[in-house]
Amino acid sequence: DAKTTQPNSMESNEEEPVHLPCNHSTISGTDYIHWYRQLPSQGPEYVIHGLTSNVNNRMASLAIAEDRKSSTLILHRATLRDAAVYYCILREAGAGSYQLTFGKGTKLSVIP
Amino acid sequence: GAGVSQTPSNKVTEKGKYVELRCDPISGHTALYWYRQSLGQGPEFLIYFQGTGAADDSGLPNDRFFAVRPEGSVSTLKIQRTERGDSAVYLCASSLSGTSTGELFFGEGSRLTVL
Repeated sequence: DAKTTQPNSMESNEEEPVHLPCNHSTISGTDYIHWYRQLPSQGPEYVIHGLTSNVNNRMASLAIAEDRKSSTLILHRATLRDAAVYYCILREAGAGSYQLTFGKGTKLSVIP
Repeated sequence: GAGVSQTPSNKVTEKGKYVELRCDPISGHTALYWYRQSLGQGPEFLIYFQGTGAADDSGLPNDRFFAVRPEGSVSTLKIQRTERGDSAVYLCASSLSGTSTGELFFGEGSRLTVL
């Protein structure tokens, strides 16, 4: 699987927007970009995924660079509940595209 | 509940003992995954089931680890002759189908401590 690079940690003030970056310079044309997050003492949970176009859902937005070598997860208004480790993961399409390969992720702290 | 259920939530055992960890996936999900997470690390893939069969067991660290899913629903991860290095949180996830876009739903994990 192609590798992703994320900052180890980030801080945000409560109710401010948060932009979590991810670099994936070796992404292939059929790799989907997935984001999961893991709250303390819980299993990971799905946040969002995309291929080429920017995506929005109730949790977040995903902005994908035109060359697809980087992406940014955007939390529009951070809450204390958003404090978690955020994982950016590339997932191959086609045969064998079943598992997620997690890195260390970005630990997001939200300051009240 | 409607989520992935894992039991036990905590298990303390002695080195050399046998351990079983159970995963009850979301009803109707054909894909099931086991992961292991050590402190400060991201989850590490162990094995993937599609239905009753293990489609990929390449992540199992050695032959002390084995998993089954006999009826295509509940799965059991079995660890023989446990070692201290096996201490970790074991996570189970299920998905409607194993595809590149399918969302994985994780349980809260089983924390294994080997003394």
